[in-house]
Amino acid sequence: AQTVTQSQPEMSVQEAETVTLSCTYDTSENNYYLFWYKQPPSRQMILVIRQEAYKQQNATENRFSVNFQKAAKSFSLKISDSQLGDTAMYFCAFMIISNFGNEKLTFGTGTRLTIIP
Amino acid sequence: DTAVSQTPKYLVTQMGNDKSIKCEQNLGHDTMYWYKQDSKKFLKIMFSYNNKELIINETVPNRFSPKSPDKAHLNLHINSLELGDSAVYFCASSPYRLAGFYEQYFGPGTRLTVT
Repeated sequence: AQTVTQSQPEMSVQEAETVTLSCTYDTSENNYYLFWYKQPPSRQMILVIRQEAYKQQNATENRFSVNFQKAAKSFSLKISDSQLGDTAMYFCAFMIISNFGNEKLTFGTGTRLTIIP
Repeated sequence: DTAVSQTPKYLVTQMGNDKSIKCEQNLGHDTMYWYKQDSKKFLKIMFSYNNKELIINETVPNRFSPKSPDKAHLNLHINSLELGDSAVYFCASSPYRLAGFYEQYFGPGTRLTVT
């Protein structure tokens, strides 16, 4: 079974600082995608960034970047120049790509991030 | 112009009742999903449909029955509601998988409270 572990239940950081959220996963598959989703207090699930396992280059989206270490099965999210609007739950998620069309997201337990003014 | 919409956003009902949650997406996606988020914020897949065909049924009690009248809609009907069904239910959709896009786009969620 595939598992996703987020070892930091809560984190806080001062506005404008950089913060890194950790995520590890366990799988024997080779073809998979990794995602970070953000859930602010509004409850909406928002896709932050995705990484294809076959790509060695780390994904980047503006202030958000990942450090993907495939051998270590690690997928951390770095938020640079953090802003008050980054306050949210962050979920790491994993998806195995199959030939049967039964892809699904397996989520970690989340990290509650608070940006302090 | 909401991409994935759910109705209602809040649902309070008593044990034993039957209720439905509706989901619609206007993104032209082929695959739709239901996820459940429990009180500890843990998210878990329940069902997925591709072009009205059930693909994933993740050991969900028979009291939960998804229905997809067309590929833009995926509804969730729950019979004989129990206290443990209280949760936030999210609908999501994703583009046709062979296009190489696997992102899932979520609706705003429906908070179900069973009393």
